[in-house]
Amino acid sequence: GDSVTQMEGPVTLSEEAFLTINCTYTATGYPSLFWYVQYPGEGLQLLLKATKADDKGSNKGFEATYRKETTSFHLEKGSVQVSDSAVYFCALRVYNQGGKLIFGQGTELSVKP
Amino acid sequence: DADVTQTPRNRITKTGKRIMLECSQTKGHDRMYWYRQDPGLGLQLIYYSFDVKDINKGEISDGYSVSRQAQAKFSLSLESAIPNQTALYFCATSDTAGEQETQYFGPGTRLLVL
Repeated sequence: GDSVTQMEGPVTLSEEAFLTINCTYTATGYPSLFWYVQYPGEGLQLLLKATKADDKGSNKGFEATYRKETTSFHLEKGSVQVSDSAVYFCALRVYNQGGKLIFGQGTELSVKP
Repeated sequence: DADVTQTPRNRITKTGKRIMLECSQTKGHDRMYWYRQDPGLGLQLIYYSFDVKDINKGEISDGYSVSRQAQAKFSLSLESAIPNQTALYFCATSDTAGEQETQYFGPGTRLLVL
């Protein structure tokens, strides 16, 4: 079945470090791909998305490129801030399955000053 | 004001009790979803609704029921709560169907079943 696998956390970085959180997926159809962020004590917020191969989603300095050949959607940011500390979820949606999202297990990021 | 609200935000209950979690939205979306989140796991879909008369089971619907009272309201019930239903529950809504569909999440309800 369809699934999403993320790199395990927690990931701890110093401020201004480069961030990569790996995400790979398995899907039978043509999924849309998403990154959601969950700040402490809050619900999930959409960070970025990509709906077809080679699309790049970007927001707040974060980027991810939909790579069909490697079935990946890695999240990157060139210079993280303390305020980026959160849990990041990669997710996919396949259209013929009622629009439901399939989530990875989440990766906790902690950024130290 | 938040677009997607959930009540209560925190709840402690006992095994065997019936409990209802409520979700309201002001976004005017037709589609609404209930998910649960367990530590170290992603979100799992419990139920979803495409409109007031269209309700569907998700991956883990056993032990849960839902009611779509209006376009803006979607409630989740635990008929007889058990400890392994202790989790963080999220409601979500979504806009247009298809490729550009985006889901918007509420702040979550933290449920503890003793």
